[in-house]
Amino acid sequence: AQSVTQLDSHVSVSEGTPVLLRCNYSSSYSPSLFWYVQHPNKGLQLLLKYTSAATLVKGINGFEAEFKKSETSFHLTKPSAHMSDAAEYFCVVSDGKGRRALTFGSGTRLQVQP
Amino acid sequence: GAVVSQHPSWVICKSGTSVKIECRSLDFQATTMFWYRQFPKQSLMLMATSNEGSKATYEQGVEKDKFLINHASLTLSTLTVTSAHPEDSSFYICSVGGQGNQPQHFGDGTRLSIL
Repeated sequence: AQSVTQLDSHVSVSEGTPVLLRCNYSSSYSPSLFWYVQHPNKGLQLLLKYTSAATLVKGINGFEAEFKKSETSFHLTKPSAHMSDAAEYFCVVSDGKGRRALTFGSGTRLQVQP
Repeated sequence: GAVVSQHPSWVICKSGTSVKIECRSLDFQATTMFWYRQFPKQSLMLMATSNEGSKATYEQGVEKDKFLINHASLTLSTLTVTSAHPEDSSFYICSVGGQGNQPQHFGDGTRLSIL
C-alpha cells in the first residue's frame, strides 16, 4: 500500500521569496514520485519526477525537489516565487507496478502575494 | 511527454441527459487510459482504467452502468455519464502513460455541470 501526505493545504508567500511545499510518502516498494501543478479549470502539468536516479530533481519553471528516503519526504522548493506560480500543487506516488495506479496527495494551494 | 486532448472542456446540460467526454492521445499509442474525477478543492480520485479492446476496470464504488467507458482505438477513450444528475457535476480528467516509472500525462479536463 502507498500513501501521500501533503502537510500544508495552503501556503502563502510574497513574490520573490522562497517556496516550500511539503510532501511525505509511504510505499511498500521503491516508489516513483511526482509533483504536478494544476491551474484553475485545467488538467495537471508535470513539474518534475523522481525515479531512483539523482535524489535532487530539477523540474520546469525553476522548481526542484529532494528525495530523502530516511525522512520519506519529497518536498518541492523554488528559490523565488513568481505571481504565475499561484496554483494547486499535487504530490503523487506510484509504485510503478501492476496497473500503474497513482496515489495523489490532497493538494497544496500556493498563493503568491505581490 | 504525451499530448492529451480532452473534449469538451465545459458542458452544461439538463438532468437526465447523457454526456460523452472524449480523451485523445495525440502522439502516443495508449493501450491504457485513466479517468479521474475531481470535486471542488479536492484531489483527484481514480474512477476507472480504460483498456483498449477490452472492458474497463472500475474502482470500488464507481457505478460501471453509470459511467460507461469505451476504448475502441489506441488514441481514443470515451467516458459517457448516463442519465446525469446534479450530483454527477464535477471535473473529469483523463490521462495516459505511466508505464514503469514514467509519469502520466493529463488532459485539460472537462467541467460537467448538471442543472
